[in-house]
Amino acid sequence: AQTVTQSQPEMSVQEAETVTLSCTYDTSESDYYLFWYKQPPSRQMILVIRQEAYKQQNATENRFSVNFQKAAKSFSLKISDSQLGDAAMYFCALARSGGSNYKLTFGKGTLLTVNP
Amino acid sequence: DSGVTQTPKHLITATGQRVTLRCSPRSGDLSVYWYQQSLDQGLQFLIQYYNGEERAKGNILERFSAQQFPDLHSELNLSSLELGDSALYFCASSPRARTDTQYFGPGTRLTVL
Repeated sequence: AQTVTQSQPEMSVQEAETVTLSCTYDTSESDYYLFWYKQPPSRQMILVIRQEAYKQQNATENRFSVNFQKAAKSFSLKISDSQLGDAAMYFCALARSGGSNYKLTFGKGTLLTVNP
Repeated sequence: DSGVTQTPKHLITATGQRVTLRCSPRSGDLSVYWYQQSLDQGLQFLIQYYNGEERAKGNILERFSAQQFPDLHSELNLSSLELGDSALYFCASSPRARTDTQYFGPGTRLTVL
């Protein structure tokens, strides 16, 4: 079974500052994918960033980057130069790479507030 | 805009009723996934279809069923509705039946009174 844990129910950051959201996971698979999705008040689920477990290099998308520690099963999201539009619920998710079920297993989310 | 469409946006119905939620995947995507988001259960996978065939089942109740049609759109049927079925139902699509990034639709908010 796959599990994803987000230990920070809520976080806050000042505009233009940097914030890191934590995520740990558990899986018996050796190959898998990790994702961060953002859910703003509109409720739309928006992909932020994706990491393949076989890649050692941490993924980066503009102001968003991850710190992927495979041995520790940790996958944190760093948001640099935070903007008001970054305020949202952030979900960490895990999907296996092989087999027949590619479902996403989600954490419970971290609510990020950005203060002006 | 992810390119995934879902209708209706909102649905209000009574206990015991049956509803159908519709999803159109992104152009070219063959896989469709259904997820339920509720306050107590969080985001949970329900079922996956690939090119018209069921590929995987998650925590989907027997009262719920789904199908994917030849034009690749999918429908989620919820019957004998209970108060606890009130939730946001998402459809997501991806190109293949493997680990691709899943792109989510805007969701259908179901309220059972």
